[in-house]
Amino acid sequence: SQQGEEDPQALSIQEGENATMNCSYKTSINNLQWYRQNSGRGLVHLILIRSNEREKHSGRLRVTLDTSKKSSSLLITASRAADTASYFCATDGEYGNKLVFGAGTILRVKS
Amino acid sequence: ETGVTQSPTHLIKTRGQQVTLRCSSQSGHNTVSWYQQALGQGPQFIFQYYREEENGRGNFPPRFSGLQFPNYSSELNVNALELDDSALYLCASSWEVRGANVLTFGAGSRLTVL
Repeated sequence: SQQGEEDPQALSIQEGENATMNCSYKTSINNLQWYRQNSGRGLVHLILIRSNEREKHSGRLRVTLDTSKKSSSLLITASRAADTASYFCATDGEYGNKLVFGAGTILRVKS
Repeated sequence: ETGVTQSPTHLIKTRGQQVTLRCSSQSGHNTVSWYQQALGQGPQFIFQYYREEENGRGNFPPRFSGLQFPNYSSELNVNALELDDSALYLCASSWEVRGANVLTFGAGSRLTVL
């Protein structure tokens, strides 16, 4: 089963534009994380937000968390062609502290 | 600091065979998790090992088994392979910090079952 569901499934934007991806989940969580995957290779951790936090920033990334709606969003500002990848949210809670991933959003940034 | 390495990178098996995938953890990490990622899907949690013991399992049958060794490296074994086992198998090591597991992934082993 997949705890998180990302929306949209795919997103295509021009370089320089902002990209927003959303994630919804089902059970209570302690933390939510976002990962990036390039071309079917290993995933890379981007950012972690804890359940008692509402917003977090890291460089061009901004993550929000609304535990009442069981949802999170990832904003990438001033996107670059190198941001082209699949983005996954991951939550704990379903199997203790083990991470469960959503189906991902495929982001394509056109130069 | 070395990352997570997996072997082999690609392999082809036939239905009914057995396969062993290997993973070397990142230095300093004591926990290893294995994920299965089918084409176009997100990674699915198979199981996690901590101090050589299975420490949680996802919705996978017993023919998926694993080992963790004293040096924290790990193996994933799959018996009686089925066509649906074709996927990218990802190993991730981690160190728990304040209740959170931040995963460092290897590049994966792509298994094709014919």
